[in-house]
Amino acid sequence: SYVLTQPPSVSVAPGKTARISCEGINIASKSVHWYRQRPGQAPILVIYYDSDRPSGIPERFSGSNSGNTATLTISGVEPGDEADYHCQVWDSTTVVFGGGTKLTVL
Amino acid sequence: QLQMQESGPGLVKPSETLSLTCIVSGDSITSGVYYWGWIRQPPHKGLEWIGSIYHSGTTYDNPSLKSRATISVDSSENQFFLKMTSVTAADTAVYYCARLKTVGGYVDFWGQGTLVTVSS
Repeated sequence: SYVLTQPPSVSVAPGKTARISCEGINIASKSVHWYRQRPGQAPILVIYYDSDRPSGIPERFSGSNSGNTATLTISGVEPGDEADYHCQVWDSTTVVFGGGTKLTVL
Repeated sequence: QLQMQESGPGLVKPSETLSLTCIVSGDSITSGVYYWGWIRQPPHKGLEWIGSIYHSGTTYDNPSLKSRATISVDSSENQFFLKMTSVTAADTAVYYCARLKTVGGYVDFWGQGTLVTVSS
Protein backbone atom coordinates (compact mmCIF):
# COMPACT_ATOMS: atom_id res chain seq x y z
CA SER A 1 0.00 0.00 0.00
CA TYR A 2 1.05 3.58 -0.62
CA VAL A 3 2.93 5.32 2.21
CA LEU A 4 3.12 9.04 3.01
CA THR A 5 5.87 10.32 5.32
CA GLN A 6 5.71 13.62 7.22
CA PRO A 7 8.15 15.06 9.76
CA PRO A 8 6.73 14.71 13.28
CA SER A 9 7.28 18.37 14.08
CA VAL A 10 8.15 21.74 12.57
CA SER A 11 8.84 24.92 14.52
CA VAL A 12 8.72 28.47 13.22
CA ALA A 13 8.78 31.99 14.64
CA PRO A 14 5.77 34.26 14.18
CA GLY A 15 5.84 36.12 10.88
CA LYS A 16 8.18 33.61 9.25
CA THR A 17 7.41 30.92 6.68
CA ALA A 18 6.65 27.33 7.64
CA ARG A 19 7.12 24.48 5.18
CA ILE A 20 5.70 21.03 5.93
CA SER A 21 6.72 18.18 3.66
CA CYS A 22 4.86 15.03 2.65
CA GLU A 23 6.94 12.37 0.92
CA GLY A 24 5.72 9.48 -1.20
CA ILE A 25 6.98 7.53 -4.19
CA ASN A 26 6.25 9.60 -7.31
CA ILE A 27 3.75 11.65 -5.31
CA ALA A 28 3.70 14.18 -8.14
CA SER A 29 1.50 11.72 -10.07
CA LYS A 30 -1.20 12.04 -7.40
CA SER A 31 -3.33 14.88 -6.06
CA VAL A 32 -2.35 15.86 -2.52
CA HIS A 33 -4.73 17.33 0.01
CA TRP A 34 -3.89 19.00 3.34
CA TYR A 35 -5.84 19.34 6.59
CA ARG A 36 -5.31 21.46 9.70
CA GLN A 37 -6.37 20.02 13.04
CA ARG A 38 -6.40 22.18 16.15
CA PRO A 39 -6.36 20.43 19.57
CA GLY A 40 -9.67 18.80 20.41
CA GLN A 41 -11.19 19.65 17.03
CA ALA A 42 -11.95 17.79 13.84
CA PRO A 43 -9.61 18.43 10.89
CA ILE A 44 -10.52 20.97 8.23
CA LEU A 45 -9.39 21.07 4.61
CA VAL A 46 -6.85 23.82 3.88
CA ILE A 47 -5.45 22.75 0.47
CA TYR A 48 -6.86 20.38 -2.15
CA TYR A 49 -5.58 19.24 -5.53
CA ASP A 50 -2.01 20.15 -4.52
CA SER A 51 -2.53 23.92 -4.40
CA ASP A 52 -6.20 24.94 -4.40
CA ARG A 53 -7.61 26.71 -1.36
CA PRO A 54 -11.18 26.23 -0.11
CA SER A 55 -13.15 29.39 0.50
CA GLY A 56 -12.29 30.93 3.84
CA ILE A 57 -8.66 29.71 3.88
CA PRO A 58 -6.21 32.64 3.80
CA GLU A 59 -3.85 33.17 0.87
CA ARG A 60 -1.01 32.60 3.35
CA PHE A 61 -1.65 28.89 2.82
CA SER A 62 -0.24 27.42 -0.38
CA GLY A 63 0.82 24.02 -1.67
CA SER A 64 3.10 22.45 -4.23
CA ASN A 65 3.82 18.94 -5.47
CA SER A 66 6.84 17.73 -7.40
CA GLY A 67 8.83 14.52 -7.71
CA ASN A 68 8.56 12.59 -4.46
CA THR A 69 7.62 15.53 -2.21
CA ALA A 70 4.52 17.64 -1.67
CA THR A 71 4.84 20.76 0.47
CA LEU A 72 2.41 22.87 2.45
CA THR A 73 3.70 26.40 2.88
CA ILE A 74 2.32 28.85 5.43
CA SER A 75 3.59 32.39 5.00
CA GLY A 76 3.52 35.01 7.75
CA VAL A 77 2.83 32.38 10.39
CA GLU A 78 0.48 33.44 13.17
CA PRO A 79 0.02 31.92 16.63
CA GLY A 80 -3.36 30.57 15.51
CA ASP A 81 -1.63 28.43 12.89
CA GLU A 82 -0.25 26.19 15.63
CA ALA A 83 -1.88 22.83 14.95
CA ASP A 84 -1.35 19.38 13.50
CA TYR A 85 -1.23 19.21 9.70
CA HIS A 86 -2.05 16.05 7.75
CA CYS A 87 -1.44 15.28 4.08
CA GLN A 88 -3.63 12.84 2.17
CA VAL A 89 -3.85 11.23 -1.25
CA TRP A 90 -6.39 9.06 -3.00
CA ASP A 91 -4.71 5.94 -4.36
CA SER A 92 -6.93 3.69 -6.50
CA THR A 93 -10.06 4.39 -4.38
CA THR A 94 -8.03 4.01 -1.17
CA VAL A 95 -7.58 7.03 1.08
CA VAL A 96 -4.08 7.37 2.54
CA PHE A 97 -3.00 9.84 5.24
CA GLY A 98 0.47 10.86 6.29
CA GLY A 99 1.39 10.54 9.96
CA GLY A 100 0.79 14.23 10.66
CA THR A 101 3.11 17.11 11.56
CA LYS A 102 2.81 19.24 14.66
CA LEU A 103 3.49 22.89 13.81
CA THR A 104 4.76 24.88 16.78
CA VAL A 105 4.81 28.67 16.65
CA LEU A 106 7.70 29.80 18.81
CA GLN B 1 -26.14 23.84 6.26
CA LEU B 2 -24.51 20.42 6.31
CA GLN B 3 -24.29 18.64 9.64
CA MET B 4 -22.89 15.20 10.33
CA GLN B 5 -23.28 13.67 13.78
CA GLU B 6 -21.77 10.44 15.01
CA SER B 7 -23.60 8.42 17.63
CA GLY B 8 -22.95 5.17 19.44
CA PRO B 9 -21.55 3.65 22.63
CA GLY B 10 -18.48 5.33 24.06
CA LEU B 11 -17.29 2.11 25.69
CA VAL B 12 -16.98 -1.31 24.07
CA LYS B 13 -15.59 -4.48 25.61
CA PRO B 14 -12.67 -6.32 23.99
CA SER B 15 -13.70 -8.94 21.41
CA GLU B 16 -17.12 -7.31 20.97
CA THR B 17 -18.49 -5.30 18.03
CA LEU B 18 -18.25 -1.53 17.76
CA SER B 19 -21.31 0.06 16.14
CA LEU B 20 -21.60 3.71 15.10
CA THR B 21 -24.18 5.73 13.19
CA CYS B 22 -23.64 8.93 11.24
CA ILE B 23 -26.75 11.08 10.83
CA VAL B 24 -26.50 13.45 7.88
CA SER B 25 -28.60 16.59 7.57
CA GLY B 26 -28.41 19.43 5.11
CA ASP B 27 -27.37 17.19 2.21
CA SER B 28 -28.66 14.00 0.67
CA ILE B 29 -26.60 10.82 0.91
CA THR B 30 -27.87 10.02 -2.60
CA SER B 31 -25.84 12.91 -4.01
CA GLY B 32 -23.73 11.41 -6.74
CA VAL B 33 -20.66 13.56 -6.16
CA TYR B 34 -19.77 12.24 -2.72
CA TYR B 35 -18.65 9.18 -0.86
CA TRP B 36 -19.49 8.88 2.82
CA GLY B 37 -16.76 7.55 5.04
CA TRP B 38 -15.31 6.75 8.44
CA ILE B 39 -11.90 7.92 9.65
CA ARG B 40 -10.42 7.33 13.08
CA GLN B 41 -7.64 8.79 15.19
CA PRO B 42 -6.12 6.91 18.14
CA PRO B 43 -5.05 9.13 21.04
CA HIS B 44 -1.99 11.23 20.13
CA LYS B 45 -1.69 9.55 16.72
CA GLY B 46 -2.47 10.30 13.10
CA LEU B 47 -5.58 9.81 11.01
CA GLU B 48 -6.53 6.39 9.64
CA TRP B 49 -9.11 5.88 6.91
CA ILE B 50 -11.46 3.01 7.71
CA GLY B 51 -13.58 2.94 4.57
CA SER B 52 -16.09 4.72 2.37
CA ILE B 53 -19.47 3.98 0.82
CA TYR B 54 -21.33 5.31 -2.19
CA HIS B 55 -25.11 5.74 -2.00
CA SER B 56 -25.50 2.71 -4.25
CA GLY B 57 -23.94 0.60 -1.51
CA THR B 58 -20.55 0.17 -3.16
CA THR B 59 -17.88 0.17 -0.48
CA TYR B 60 -14.14 0.73 -0.34
CA ASP B 61 -12.27 -0.61 2.68
CA ASN B 62 -8.85 -0.21 4.27
CA PRO B 63 -7.13 -3.59 3.72
CA SER B 64 -5.12 -3.14 6.93
CA LEU B 65 -8.28 -3.72 8.97
CA LYS B 66 -8.53 -7.25 7.57
CA SER B 67 -12.26 -7.06 6.80
CA ARG B 68 -13.21 -6.34 10.43
CA ALA B 69 -14.99 -3.13 9.37
CA THR B 70 -18.32 -3.03 7.53
CA ILE B 71 -19.92 0.15 6.27
CA SER B 72 -23.55 0.31 5.23
CA VAL B 73 -26.05 2.99 4.28
CA ASP B 74 -29.74 3.73 4.77
CA SER B 75 -30.55 6.31 2.13
CA SER B 76 -34.17 6.61 3.26
CA GLU B 77 -33.01 7.80 6.69
CA ASN B 78 -29.99 9.69 5.32
CA GLN B 79 -27.67 7.74 7.62
CA PHE B 80 -24.70 5.47 7.26
CA PHE B 81 -23.15 3.05 9.66
CA LEU B 82 -19.92 1.44 10.83
CA LYS B 83 -19.58 -1.96 12.42
CA MET B 84 -16.18 -3.21 13.53
CA THR B 85 -15.84 -6.71 14.91
CA SER B 86 -13.43 -8.29 17.38
CA VAL B 87 -12.23 -4.98 18.79
CA THR B 88 -9.12 -4.65 20.94
CA ALA B 89 -7.56 -1.78 22.88
CA ALA B 90 -5.83 -0.76 19.65
CA ASP B 91 -9.23 0.24 18.27
CA THR B 92 -9.61 2.93 20.94
CA ALA B 93 -9.87 6.17 18.97
CA VAL B 94 -11.93 9.19 18.04
CA TYR B 95 -14.11 8.07 15.15
CA TYR B 96 -15.11 10.67 12.56
CA CYS B 97 -17.73 10.35 9.88
CA ALA B 98 -16.90 12.38 6.79
CA ARG B 99 -18.03 13.45 3.34
CA LEU B 100 -15.52 12.76 0.56
CA LYS B 101 -15.53 14.00 -3.00
CA THR B 102 -15.75 11.17 -5.52
CA VAL B 103 -13.34 13.02 -7.78
CA GLY B 104 -10.08 13.58 -5.95
CA GLY B 105 -11.08 11.68 -2.82
CA TYR B 106 -10.64 14.51 -0.36
CA VAL B 107 -12.73 15.17 2.74
CA ASP B 108 -14.64 18.40 2.44
CA PHE B 109 -16.64 17.98 5.64
CA TRP B 110 -16.01 16.19 8.93
CA GLY B 111 -18.29 15.25 11.78
CA GLN B 112 -17.20 16.42 15.21
CA GLY B 113 -15.98 12.92 16.13
CA THR B 114 -16.86 10.52 18.91
CA LEU B 115 -14.44 8.82 21.29
CA VAL B 116 -14.77 5.06 21.52
CA THR B 117 -12.81 3.33 24.24
CA VAL B 118 -12.24 -0.43 24.18
CA SER B 119 -11.89 -1.70 27.71
CA SER B 120 -13.31 -4.34 29.98
